[in-house]
Amino acid sequence: AQKVTQAQTEISVVEKEDVTLDCVYETRDTTYYLFWYKQPPSGELVFLIRRNSFDEQNEISGRYSWNFQKSTSSFNFTITASQVVDSAVYFCALSVPDYGGSQGNLIFGKGTKLSVKP
Amino acid sequence: DGGITQSPKYLFRKEGQNVTLSCEQNLNHDAMYWYRQDPGQGLRLIYYSQIVNDFQKGDIAEGYSVSREKKESFPLTVTSAQKNPTAFYLCASSIVSGPSYEQYFGPGTRLTVT
Repeated sequence: AQKVTQAQTEISVVEKEDVTLDCVYETRDTTYYLFWYKQPPSGELVFLIRRNSFDEQNEISGRYSWNFQKSTSSFNFTITASQVVDSAVYFCALSVPDYGGSQGNLIFGKGTKLSVKP
Repeated sequence: DGGITQSPKYLFRKEGQNVTLSCEQNLNHDAMYWYRQDPGQGLRLIYYSQIVNDFQKGDIAEGYSVSREKKESFPLTVTSAQKNPTAFYLCASSIVSGPSYEQYFGPGTRLTVT
């Protein structure tokens, strides 16, 4: 079975603090893809990153960084020096080939609501 | 600007009425998707379409119907058979259907049924 767990329901930090959002996934497929999306209060999901199962290199994009560890089935997301504009719900998602008879369907975690206070 | 539009942003209906949610994209994407989001929950897939005139049920298709007559459009009808229709509905698209392709989302429609 495929599953994504985001154990942190809500996190509150003060501006400029670093914060890590956890994501643990389950799949028996050896080929899979992991995603992070941001959902600001406006509601629209914004794509942040995609990683495939064969590439465990960590990635950094400005204040954002992602740590992919197959040994622990985790794909954690860190925001450095958080800002108020980072306040949003963040979703981790998994996609595997041929899930439910089709490709490309995303399996979402329940999301982590991040509040960054000034 | 390319993107996905959903209208209206807020929709109110009486119980027992069918309602159709609009989704249009000008990204020239082949694949389109409908998700439902409930408070504190992740997104759950209702229907998806890999190509025009084809669509498949997702995890929670009961009480919903779709059509895909044009590449740009993928409307969702919430029928009276849907027991808990009040939710936030998100439409998405991707270049093609495949696990490596990111999906792009519209702004969503918040449906309230009383």
